[in-house]
Amino acid sequence: KQEVTQIPAALSVPEGENLVLNCSFTDSAIYNLQWFRQDPGKGLTSLLLIQSSQREQTSGRLNASLDKSSGRSTLYIAASQPGDSATYLCARLSGGYNKLIFGAGTRLAVHP
Amino acid sequence: GAGVSQSPSNKVTEKGKDVELRCDPISGHTALYWYRQSLGQGLEFLIYFQGNSAPDKSGLPSDRFSAERTGGSVSTLTIQRTQQEDSAVYLCASSLQAGVLPYGYTFGSGTRLTVV
Repeated sequence: KQEVTQIPAALSVPEGENLVLNCSFTDSAIYNLQWFRQDPGKGLTSLLLIQSSQREQTSGRLNASLDKSSGRSTLYIAASQPGDSATYLCARLSGGYNKLIFGAGTRLAVHP
Repeated sequence: GAGVSQSPSNKVTEKGKDVELRCDPISGHTALYWYRQSLGQGLEFLIYFQGNSAPDKSGLPSDRFSAERTGGSVSTLTIQRTQQEDSAVYLCASSLQAGVLPYGYTFGSGTRLTVV
């Protein structure tokens, strides 16, 4: 079974905090993993893609790590800003390599 | 084009009517995917195209749903005899090529379908 679980489901923090969003998988065979951001009423914006041979990727204030042995990925957001408020989704490539399996997302609210 | 384009952005239809949703993938992307996102729910996979073929239709919820892709480019998702439970945002994504290689997905902004 290829379930993807994200915790917490929702998070509200004051501006400036460092955050960790968690993503875990029941299938230990990890392939590509992608983190997305979704703003209300909008599509998905790709944030970071981690290949199976990689351990982490960084883009600006974002850092995503992948631990295949434990079936976990984390998205670290440094110095959060109100503009970071959105739903963050992680997705892993399925074993058949032909589709992404998504978690339910973490709804983040950063208040001034 | 520069991104994945979906049309219409919003569609309100009466129960029982047929609707067509369109997706224009990024030029040169051979893989195309349709997902559905119901209110408060995660993304549900519907169908995957490689070129004009659909090797994986496992996510289509019923035989009222069908999709095609022509010329290895534009795809149309058709819902016949729409029901209220079909109300959702339908998202399309494309990728240079399906597979383990680092071909990330690019999503369109979606079509918000409301069946009344």
